[in-house]
Amino acid sequence: AQSVTQLGSHVSVSEGALVLLRCNYSSSVPPYLFWYVQYPNQGLQLLLKYTTGATLVKGINGFEAEFKKSETSFHLTKPSAHMSDAAEYFCAVSVRTSYDKVIFGPGTSLSVIP
Amino acid sequence: NAGVTQTPKFQVLKTGQSMTLQCAQDMNHNSMYWYRQDPGMGLRLIYYSASEGTTDKGEVPNGYNVSRLNKREFSLRLESAAPSQTSVYFCASSERGGTGQYFGPGTRLTVT
Repeated sequence: AQSVTQLGSHVSVSEGALVLLRCNYSSSVPPYLFWYVQYPNQGLQLLLKYTTGATLVKGINGFEAEFKKSETSFHLTKPSAHMSDAAEYFCAVSVRTSYDKVIFGPGTSLSVIP
Repeated sequence: NAGVTQTPKFQVLKTGQSMTLQCAQDMNHNSMYWYRQDPGMGLRLIYYSASEGTTDKGEVPNGYNVSRLNKREFSLRLESAAPSQTSVYFCASSERGGTGQYFGPGTRLTVT
């Protein structure tokens, strides 16, 4: 069975500092991996995804994530935090079947301090 | 191109009442999903539909029913609402094969 762990339910960074949100997964088959962002009172929005190929994937708003199979990790980073990055972030793993069933992590709330 | 739309945005029910949450997508996606989101619990899958005419239970299906009316529409019904069903409900859709899901804006449901 697939599962996702996100280390840290709350992360605070200063504006301009590095953002690092951690995600580890377990999967018995090669996974698809995703990061989603949720702003207050909104639905989730896809930030980036890994399916196959290059292990460093770039997403919207300057975020990127690196798939490390040996560490079963898919950490999300951004070099310089902006106030508008404050949101809830969800890591997710997908089972490679025809219907794209997705398992979500519990989420990490990111605060950006001016 | 509206993406995924959900109605209503807010709803208050009394215990025992019934209601249907509506969801529609205009992206020609095959798969559609209903989730509930509760504080500290993340997103939990209620039901999903891999294609028109098929539905399957997710992690927390008890107390809910669904209908995949056509390729565009996927509704969620609460037959007899309970306070434990107070939550924010999200509908999502996706292509097959790991392209990622697209979410609606959510329905905030309170059962008193």
